[in-house]
Amino acid sequence: DAKTTQPPSMDCAEGRAANLPCNHSTISGNEYVYWYRQIHSQGPQYIIHGLKNNETNEMASLIITEDRKSSTLILPHATLRDTAVYYCIVIISGTSYGKLTFGQGTILTVHP
Amino acid sequence: ETGVTQSPTHLIKTRGQQVTLRCSSQSGHNTVSWYQQALGQGPQFIFQYYREEENGRGNFPPRFSGLQFPNYSSELNVNALELDDSALYLCASTQTGANYGYTFGSGTRLTVV
Repeated sequence: DAKTTQPPSMDCAEGRAANLPCNHSTISGNEYVYWYRQIHSQGPQYIIHGLKNNETNEMASLIITEDRKSSTLILPHATLRDTAVYYCIVIISGTSYGKLTFGQGTILTVHP
Repeated sequence: ETGVTQSPTHLIKTRGQQVTLRCSSQSGHNTVSWYQQALGQGPQFIFQYYREEENGRGNFPPRFSGLQFPNYSSELNVNALELDDSALYLCASTQTGANYGYTFGSGTRLTVV
């Protein structure tokens, strides 16, 4: 699985958009980009994933660059409850060997 | 639909003892994975079960073992507990072949003294 690089921490004001970057320069053609987050003392929560097209769901948007070497998770209107560790993971989806490799992630702190 | 449930939520064991942690997968999921999360670290993959067989394993010794049952629930067993085994143990399930993410439980906090 391709390795990912994320900033260790970011801050965001409540109500503003939070843009979390992720570099995955060694990603291969059949690997998807997944985002999870972990709120303190809870298990990780799936947010969104994509292959090469931009994706949007009720939680967030995922923007993947054309060369697929980086992506950005966008929380359009951050709330205090979005304070969490955000993990960017690259993995071959749809297989039975779904080992998720969690790095250190980005600690997002949303301020009032 | 129900999510992933784990039991117990907290557990204290003595070094050298054995422990069994349990996980009920989300309805409709046939694959279950286990992770160990030490304090301040990201989760580390232990192993995964599909159709009652282990089909992927991380860098953990054989004293970490597991089972998956026909109803897709699962157990994680750890023998000869060591102090470093103190961690949050997370169970996650998914439907293999489906293109969506894993659903995680809230974990079992194991403390080895």
